[in-house]
Amino acid sequence: TQLLEQSPQFLSIQEGENLTVYCNSSSVFSSLQWYRQEPGEGPVLLVTVVTGGEVKKLKRLTFQFGDARKDSSLHITAAQPGDTGLYLCAGLFGNEKLTFGTGTRLTIIP
Amino acid sequence: GAVVSQHPSWVICKSGTSVKIECRSLDFQATTMFWYRQFPKQSLMLMATSNEGSKATYEQGVEKDKFLINHASLTLSTLTVTSAHPEDSSFYICSATGGNGANVLTFGAGSRLTVL
Repeated sequence: TQLLEQSPQFLSIQEGENLTVYCNSSSVFSSLQWYRQEPGEGPVLLVTVVTGGEVKKLKRLTFQFGDARKDSSLHITAAQPGDTGLYLCAGLFGNEKLTFGTGTRLTIIP
Repeated sequence: GAVVSQHPSWVICKSGTSVKIECRSLDFQATTMFWYRQFPKQSLMLMATSNEGSKATYEQGVEKDKFLINHASLTLSTLTVTSAHPEDSSFYICSATGGNGANVLTFGAGSRLTVL
């Protein structure tokens, strides 16, 4: 069973600050996805990255896929209270089902 | 875009009773659906893969007789928690592929089960 470690597990910062969340595995991903989940709801897909070294931007969110496709990062610029939530990476290894990371719970303080 | 609907969104039941949760793909056909369990402040743990017209594939450690999965049509999968106990209380989430492309999951809003 592949394991995806996310760090930090919890993060609480002031509005306007920048932050980075990491997702690491010892195995190579076929592709990797990032989701955000709010309390009492299902996860919502933010982005899918496929190519090593790939960088994707979604407004203030920047996603990077490691060159070796074993890790990924999510950077948020000028965080806002609406960014609060549980951020989950999920990796696809070969043709197997998605494996979710351990999660990062982000709280943005107004 | 693709929508997956779960029902009920929350349910409270007595210990020993069975509870059925439905997962429907509203505007696409889903040959494969997935059932997850999520404990408070934790990530999603895959319980089983539900395949239309065949038996579900359960993850290691998940009791097949405890969590019955039926995928009778291309748009509906059901999870039945049999003889529920307080430790079965959790947030159950389903997802389906096929709505937004291969390997892209569309998630339901989840069902919160509380067993008294």
